[in-house]
Amino acid sequence: RKEVEQDPGPFNVPEGATVAFNCTYSNSASQSFFWYRQDCRKEPKLLMSVYSSGNEDGRFTAQLNRASQYISLLIRDSKLSDSATYLCVVSYGQNFVFGPGTRLSVLP
Amino acid sequence: SAVISQKPSRDICQRGTSLTIQCQVDSQVTMMFWYRQQPGQSLTLIATANQGSEATYESGFVIDKFPISRPNLTFSTLTVSNMSPEDSSIYLCSAKPAMADYGYTFGSGTRLTVV
Repeated sequence: RKEVEQDPGPFNVPEGATVAFNCTYSNSASQSFFWYRQDCRKEPKLLMSVYSSGNEDGRFTAQLNRASQYISLLIRDSKLSDSATYLCVVSYGQNFVFGPGTRLSVLP
Repeated sequence: SAVISQKPSRDICQRGTSLTIQCQVDSQVTMMFWYRQQPGQSLTLIATANQGSEATYESGFVIDKFPISRPNLTFSTLTVSNMSPEDSSIYLCSAKPAMADYGYTFGSGTRLTVV
């Protein structure tokens, strides 16, 4: 089993739709959790950290369930500019493990 | 968060040659890392660049192939040695900021094509 797994995607959604990405991790010692966004031919950029109580940043909501070792990202009212690959990242100690990513295409 | 300047942004190299990639951070960082991202794949950690000591390599990566330097807390290099077409990939450096809650910052990547 891979350390970090994500929905395989791709997700093709119309503008304005709500889309949710799921991520599971295998190491129960994982301490920090993040969602990164990677545009085509660009480096990954931090979208948001994920906190145990869940957190929201505008149209983006992240949830963490430590018991189930599960992380989610919800995007509301999706925009064309949200089209990218979304990477789930889990860290423990000095290790920083990337999921395979889920590609999102928001269609006009 | 830290800003990382990575160069070159891209290169086309002959097989058997070597390429050195540089990353300069605008502030001192405790940890620097080198990743490889092959087309359509996620990031794979090559090694952790340790300041003042030898890098720590992940399984499948060796120092002879990917020598790394980290002479100070703001700079690191990765060399891809004796290149073959299988080394064609994007190479990214990243840095760990002081605050653990903050994600790592990445350089803009080096797109390497070996012909």
